[in-house]
Amino acid sequence: GALVYQYPRRTICKSGTSMRMECQAVGFQATSVAWYRQSPQKTFELIALSTVNSAIKYEQNFTQEKFPISHPNLSFSSMTVLNAYLEDRGLYLCGARVPGTDNNQAPLFGEGTRLSVL
Amino acid sequence: AQKVTQTQTSISVVEKTTVTMDCVYETRDSSYFLFWYKQTASGEIVFLIRQDSYKKENATVGHYSLNFQKPKSSIGLIITATQIEDSAVYFCAMRPTNAYKVIFGKGTHLHVLP
Repeated sequence: GALVYQYPRRTICKSGTSMRMECQAVGFQATSVAWYRQSPQKTFELIALSTVNSAIKYEQNFTQEKFPISHPNLSFSSMTVLNAYLEDRGLYLCGARVPGTDNNQAPLFGEGTRLSVL
Repeated sequence: AQKVTQTQTSISVVEKTTVTMDCVYETRDSSYFLFWYKQTASGEIVFLIRQDSYKKENATVGHYSLNFQKPKSSIGLIITATQIEDSAVYFCAMRPTNAYKVIFGKGTHLHVLP
C-alpha cells in the first residue's frame, strides 16, 4: 500500500539553529508534496506546495528563506527550518495525493516531525 | 473566505454507542471535497472518509458515515458502534476541486469510555 514516511519523528533544536526533516513516498509517485505545520494549539497551516520540476509555491507568512524545500524526485522531499525559534514549534506534516486511487483527492499524510525549540 | 468550523471541542461517549461530530464550512467554490481525518495520540493523521460536493448520497466507509447537508454547508461525521480505539482528535477538512490547499477545522476530541 501507499505510505508517507517522515523522518525524524521528533527533534529538539536550540533556538537560532536549523533542522532538516525528510518525507518519503513509499509505494507511489509523489508528484506534489504539501508541507503543513500543526501548531501546539492544533491548528493547521499550509507552508508550501512542492511539485517536481516546478517552482515551489509558498503560502503567505512562509518563505523559501526560512523554510527551504528540496523535491529532487518522485519519492523524496525535504524541508529545513532555518533559525528556528519558539514560534516554529509544532508538528510538521508532509502530505501527498496518491494517484490512481479512489481517494486520491485527499492527501495522505506521514506521521509528522515534531519540532521542539529550546 | 474559506473556513471550516468544528464547534465541539470535546465529546465523551460510552463504547458501542453512536456519536455524531459536527462541522460547517464556508466556501465560494461551487465544487469541492470534504474530508474527515483522525489524529491518533502519536500524532499520526489518518484519512477516514470523503464527500464530493456534487454527490447527494452520503458517503459511508465501514463504521464511518457522513451527514451531508449542502444547503446548510454542513458535513457531520457519524461513527456507529464506537470502540475504545476510536478515541482520538477528529478533523474536518475541505479542499476546493481546483486547489491543492486543504483547510482544516480545529478538531473535536472524542473520548470513548468503557
